[in-house]
Amino acid sequence: GQNIDQPTEMTATEGAIVQINCTYQTSGFNGLFWYQQHAGEAPTFLSYNVLDGLEEKGRFSSFLSRSKGYSYLLLKELQMKDSASYLCAALTDSWGKLQFGAGTQVVVTP
Amino acid sequence: NAGVTQTPKFRVLKTGQSMTLLCAQDMNHEYMYWYRQDPGMGLRLIHYSVGEGTTAKGEVPDGYNVSRLKKQNFLLGLESAAPSQTSVYFCASRQSYGYTFGSGTRLTVV
Repeated sequence: GQNIDQPTEMTATEGAIVQINCTYQTSGFNGLFWYQQHAGEAPTFLSYNVLDGLEEKGRFSSFLSRSKGYSYLLLKELQMKDSASYLCAALTDSWGKLQFGAGTQVVVTP
Repeated sequence: NAGVTQTPKFRVLKTGQSMTLLCAQDMNHEYMYWYRQDPGMGLRLIHYSVGEGTTAKGEVPDGYNVSRLKKQNFLLGLESAAPSQTSVYFCASRQSYGYTFGSGTRLTVV
């Protein structure tokens, strides 16, 4: 079967760092996406990793280890507007099908 | 504005009624997808299309039908709505590794 696991909720203080872990087991794998989703809104793209290693994009970084079936999203210098759900999604085939985790709700407190 | 437009944004149906959700994109993307999002379960793929005139089943296709008569439109139909189809429905289109999501349709079946 296909399985994407990520924590349900994380709480952190404004200005701090939070790391959201994602482990995946899929029948096919062509890369790993991270999306941000505010309540009542559409998911918005944060990152895409297909090769092992760390990719940094401003305050957000994403890491992938294909051999371990593991990724993380690192959010630095947290701001109140970062309070949202963060979705991990594996690209499972050449047709572009995404397998999503249930999402991690990040709560940023003052 | 370029992007993916979903109509309607909200709808309440009675059990057994039928309806069609419309997804329209103006980016000339070949690939389009319908997902449903339920609390604690993440987004799940219902049906997808790899081009005009083609459709295929995703993870949870039962109770839904789709059509892609024109490249820019992807329709999702519910022939006889059931309470289990209460959900938020997202459409997405894709070019390469770039997915664009619509703002969602919140459907309640009573």
